[in-house]
Amino acid sequence: AQKVTQAQTEISVVEKEDVTLDCVYETRDTTYYLFWYKQPPSGELVFLIRRNSFDEQNEISGRYSWNFQKSTSSFNFTITASQVVDSAVYFCALSYFGNEKLTFGTGTRLTIIP
Amino acid sequence: GAVVSQHPSRVICKSGTSVKIECRSLDFQATTMFWYRQFPKQSLMLMATSNEGSKATYEQGVEKDKFLINHASLTLSTLTVTSAHPEDSSFYICSATPAGPNQPQHFGDGTRLSIL
Repeated sequence: AQKVTQAQTEISVVEKEDVTLDCVYETRDTTYYLFWYKQPPSGELVFLIRRNSFDEQNEISGRYSWNFQKSTSSFNFTITASQVVDSAVYFCALSYFGNEKLTFGTGTRLTIIP
Repeated sequence: GAVVSQHPSRVICKSGTSVKIECRSLDFQATTMFWYRQFPKQSLMLMATSNEGSKATYEQGVEKDKFLINHASLTLSTLTVTSAHPEDSSFYICSATPAGPNQPQHFGDGTRLSIL
């Protein structure tokens, strides 16, 4: 069975601080995909990244960066120089290779304090 | 880019009413769409996989007679909540993936259902 754990339920940081959101996953598959989505108060899900299990390279996109470590089954997400607009619930998710059915973590509510 | 449209965005209705939610892929064909449910301040849970031209596949614990899914075309899946009750109040969101390699899953904007 697949499982995604986001141990941090809520995080608050002051604007311009860096913040890391943790994600730990469990799967028996050797091939799988990991995702991060942002859900602002309006409710829609905004796709941030998809990473397959064979690609352990860290990725940076602007102020966002992701650290994928298979050895610890983690896929952590860091926001650098946080902004108020980053306030949202962030979900980490997992899917089987070739099957886009997603297993979501419980989400981390991030609040950026101006 | 690929867009998934979901309608309506919000529904408020009386207990016992049946409610239909539409999920459309606007510029791509989707043989498979997914329906998720999210209770307040909780995670998204997969309800069912909608398969074009065949029966939907429901997750354990989801009542298929209560949540009717129809995927009659390659661009439209519908979820009907039959005889809705207050405990069915939730945020329902669909998703679809365009064909081809490295295509991310796209989500609709969700439907907030409130049963009085």
